Amino acid sequence: SQTIHQWPATLVQPVGSPLSLECTVEGTSNPNLYWYRQAAGRGLQLLFYSVGIGQISSEVPQNLSASRPQDRQFILSSKKLLLSDSGFYLCAWTRDRGRQPQHFGDGTRLSIL
Amino acid sequence: GESVGLHLPTLSVQEGDNSIINCAYSNSASDYFIWYKQESGKGPQFIIDIRSNMDKRQGQRVTVLLNKTVKHLSLQIAATQPGDSAVYFCAANFGNEKLTFGTGTRLTIIP
Repeated sequence: SQTIHQWPATLVQPVGSPLSLECTVEGTSNPNLYWYRQAAGRGLQLLFYSVGIGQISSEVPQNLSASRPQDRQFILSSKKLLLSDSGFYLCAWTRDRGRQPQHFGDGTRLSIL
Repeated sequence: GESVGLHLPTLSVQEGDNSIINCAYSNSASDYFIWYKQESGKGPQFIIDIRSNMDKRQGQRVTVLLNKTVKHLSLQIAATQPGDSAVYFCAANFGNEKLTFGTGTRLTIIP
């Protein structure tokens, strides 16, 4: 069976510090991978998605970047965090063909001080 | 632009009753729809999906209804239990790789 891991679960960072959140998927190959941000009491905003190694699509202009160095690894980064980067970050995967549900990790709660 | 909206941000239901959560979408080209359940501090969990060539699909205690004419989707939960308390999201596909999510309905079960 497939599983998705995100870490860390919570993170408190000062403004201006760098960020690296990691997501890995097990039990499947060539998944589509996604990074979302969820503000408190709100829906999910798609930040980035990737259909293959090194292929990144950015959905909204922002202070963040994403990379996919390996087939089942997706990384969300920032060089300098802003207060507005606080939120709940979720990684998701789906099979690379047809109409398939996205499956989510348990997220990282990021607080910027 | 694309949008998916839920009709009520909150819903309270007596334990044992049936719950109905509604959702509307704007993109006529959407042909795949999903319901998710999100508990506090966790990621959304897949509940059930439906393709546009169907108007009804049933799972364990859940039923999804799709009305393409009015672009409306609903999730019915039978015999609601305390463990059903959560935020429920609908999502519609946008192109081949992306989903658009609604803002969520918080379901509260009254004992």
